[in-house]
Amino acid sequence: DIVMTQSPDSLAVSLGERASINCKSSQSVFSSIHKNNCLAWYQQKPGQPPKLLIYWASTRESGVPDRFSGSGSGTDFTLTISSLQAEDVAVYYCQQYYSIPATFGQGTKVEIK
Amino acid sequence: EVQLVQSGAEVKKPGESLKISCKGSGYSFDSYWIGWVRQMPGKGLEWMGIIYTGDSDARYSPSFEGQVTMSVDRSISTAYLQWSSLKASDTAMYYCARHLYGGNMEDAFDMWGQGTMVTVSS
Repeated sequence: DIVMTQSPDSLAVSLGERASINCKSSQSVFSSIHKNNCLAWYQQKPGQPPKLLIYWASTRESGVPDRFSGSGSGTDFTLTISSLQAEDVAVYYCQQYYSIPATFGQGTKVEIK
Repeated sequence: EVQLVQSGAEVKKPGESLKISCKGSGYSFDSYWIGWVRQMPGKGLEWMGIIYTGDSDARYSPSFEGQVTMSVDRSISTAYLQWSSLKASDTAMYYCARHLYGGNMEDAFDMWGQGTMVTVSS
């Protein structure tokens, strides 16, 4: 199985400031078939199911605010929230879907400082 | 409206069987992979497996192979996850979720059910 490791486990950021979450995979998740990195980011708020934010490492899902962006390739990826809003308080997960079983990172909790 | 609606919370005893459901609506149900994801209390997300609703082709995570069974009833646009003998360690929230692109086996989940809480306690 591909192991996904996120850092940090938690972070506190002031409103309006930038938040960055890193995700590292134990092997490359670049697909030559799809010509893309098979990496997604999800947001989960308390008591809610996860919500897809980003897929193919950098493609924003429809309706997701443009303050959310994804970057990276191969084994190293980053989710950036350019200007943290109160409603962004949540746990964020990366997921590789390059190979089965697909695997998630352990999650990063984002709070307001 | 495109949605997945899961069955309600369950409280069971160890050794009992259980089948939970996930009903799709608002889209072509039999053209997508549906996955199941476990979230134990206070913990992260675990990918359990996926099933193609068109032909019931199922792929399991090794961690869950033999522990659960996924199935589909296309006539009522419903996917199922079942246990033959529950353990206390099966206590968790279970989510169904749909793949973003219908026919892709390797894909992100773009739509999620609301979750079914399963509690196993003597």
